[in-house]
Amino acid sequence: AQSVTQLDSQVPVFEEAPVELRCNYSSSVSVYLFWYVQYPNQGLQLLLKYLSGSTLVKGINGFEAEFNKSQTSFHLRKPSVHISDTAEYFCAVSDAERLVFGKGTKLTVNP
Amino acid sequence: ETGVTQTPRHLVMGMTNKKSLKCEQHLGHNAMYWYKQSAKKPLELMFVYNFKEQTENNSVPSRFSPECPNSSHLFLHLHTLQPEDSALYLCASSPPFNSGGGGTGGFVYGYTFGSGTRLTVV
Repeated sequence: AQSVTQLDSQVPVFEEAPVELRCNYSSSVSVYLFWYVQYPNQGLQLLLKYLSGSTLVKGINGFEAEFNKSQTSFHLRKPSVHISDTAEYFCAVSDAERLVFGKGTKLTVNP
Repeated sequence: ETGVTQTPRHLVMGMTNKKSLKCEQHLGHNAMYWYKQSAKKPLELMFVYNFKEQTENNSVPSRFSPECPNSSHLFLHLHTLQPEDSALYLCASSPPFNSGGGGTGGFVYGYTFGSGTRLTVV
């Protein structure tokens, strides 16, 4: 069975700074990887996904993530964050039979 | 608006009440899901419906009763809940995954979530 670890529960950054939200997974089979974002009082929205091919995946709102098979990681990055990026971010891994979410990382962007 | 609509947005109910949560999507998706989101816990998959048939029930207590009359609508009927059932209940939908094997499209292509129903049991 697969599992997901989001190493930081909270990440505070200043506006226009770069940010990296870390995600590590474990699985015995090939996986599909996702990042979702949840703004306050909203449901989750798909940011980006890795299914196959290029290990660098670009998503919405300027976010990107890199799949690293040897390190079993799928870290999310943005070179310059905005106040509006304040939200909770969830990493998820699937083997096509089951989807497992991490516990989430709360990103707070301060002026 | 994501294309998946959940009503009501907020619900307060007593432990002896009966209420229902509603989810509706017009995205042409064939799979629908109920998730429970509690503070400091990962999202918990409750039920999966694929082409109106329930394909997964993750050991959910019988006080939660899902209903899927068609591929566009999903309900969660609630009765005699406990305070620990207070949470955000999220509905999601996804396209089908026609691999010839198991699973639904959400596990491969991703979900479209609704905004959730914030449930408080008093």
